[in-house]
Amino acid sequence: SQQGEEDPQALSIQEGENATMNCSYKTSINNLQWYRQNSGRGLVHLILIRSNEREKHSGRLRVTLDTSKKSSSLLITASRAADTASYFCATERTGANSKLTFGKGITLSVRP
Amino acid sequence: DAGVTQSPTHLIKTRGQQVTLRCSPKSGHDTVSWYQQALGQGPQFIFQYYEEEERQRGNFPDRFSGHQFPNYSSELNVNALLLGDSALYLCASSLPLGMKADTQYFGPGTRLTVL
Repeated sequence: SQQGEEDPQALSIQEGENATMNCSYKTSINNLQWYRQNSGRGLVHLILIRSNEREKHSGRLRVTLDTSKKSSSLLITASRAADTASYFCATERTGANSKLTFGKGITLSVRP
Repeated sequence: DAGVTQSPTHLIKTRGQQVTLRCSPKSGHDTVSWYQQALGQGPQFIFQYYEEEERQRGNFPDRFSGHQFPNYSSELNVNALLLGDSALYLCASSLPLGMKADTQYFGPGTRLTVL
């Protein structure tokens, strides 16, 4: 079963704009990770945030985690056409040792 | 440094046949996990191998089995293929458990089509 639910399911923005994607989950977690997938190929790891962290940055990416609301958000600033892809949040549940539970994903389209 | 590699890239089988997919983990990684991703869905955890043993298993039938070799590479076997087994099969590797094993690195996947 899928633990995470991403929101929105699809997002279309203009190049240069910011993209915000949200993820909610149901159980206690060790960490939450965001991945990108281009055209149904392999997943690329973007960023990991642990349950005791509230915010992390990596380049143009900013992720937040609110464990009280069981939710996370991924912000991509100054988006580029190359950011067009599917984005997935995945949670490692407490005690689950590297087993990830994924949501259904968000399709991001960045128009040039 | 080679990342996670998988073979073959694509595979077409018919119902009832058996298939074997292969995965080589990233250098230094000894834990391998397999995921199934149906079209339009997120990946679903199949099972995980560590020290040549299955350590965790998702909600998949016994038709799905695996193996890990001493060099940490792994195989996924699916018997008695069903149309519903058509999917992208992803392999992921991570550092030894207990060594900040939380980041998983995924291979490019094997696209299996069952006719």
